[in-house]
Amino acid sequence: DIQMTQSPSTLSASVGDRVTITCRASQNINSWLAWYQQKPGKAPKLLIYEASNLETGVPSSFSGSGSGTEFTLTISSLQPDDFATYYCQQYNSYPTFGQGSKVEIK
Amino acid sequence: QVQLQQWGAGLLKPSETLSLTCAVYGGSFSDYYWSWIRQPPGKGLEWIGEVNHSGGTHYNSSLKSRLITSVDTSRNQFSLKLTSMTAADTAVYYCARGRKVGAARAPFDIWGQGTMATVSS
Repeated sequence: DIQMTQSPSTLSASVGDRVTITCRASQNINSWLAWYQQKPGKAPKLLIYEASNLETGVPSSFSGSGSGTEFTLTISSLQPDDFATYYCQQYNSYPTFGQGSKVEIK
Repeated sequence: QVQLQQWGAGLLKPSETLSLTCAVYGGSFSDYYWSWIRQPPGKGLEWIGEVNHSGGTHYNSSLKSRLITSVDTSRNQFSLKLTSMTAADTAVYYCARGRKVGAARAPFDIWGQGTMATVSS
């Protein structure tokens, strides 16, 4: 199985901050990476697919980059609705997820 | 607008079988693979397996021996049974839409609301 490792596990930030989350794959996954946002008691929501493509309806403050084994999710200006847990997921082979990165209010 | 609605789960005793069903509304059932994903309380996400309209399946190797999946194309529904449940299987279980049939890869773009399964004696 391909292991996905996210950092940081928890991030404290303020509204308006620029936030970056990193995801590393244990082997090359090309650009077959997605990012999800999850709020308590809710299903994950797809934000980005193929490493850098914004899902329809997702604010342009979200962006993704990377290829191979290292990827980043950036929120350019954190909004109150963005406080949540974020997961990366590879789909180069049978799907696996990172352990999650919680963005909390500073 | 495609929506997934799921039901089942609840409180189970050790060794019992979990049964879940997910219904697909508003879109093509036969064009996609449909997945099950679970999330233990306070933990991350684990892919369980996928099924298509003709019964084609791919499973997480760690769960394969305990999984039974089925589809009902007349109702646009797919189901999961997970046998020999233990406390380690306590989780929220989600259904989700994955890749198109014939395509190699895709993320999960539409999710069910999730149902909780708790295993306790």
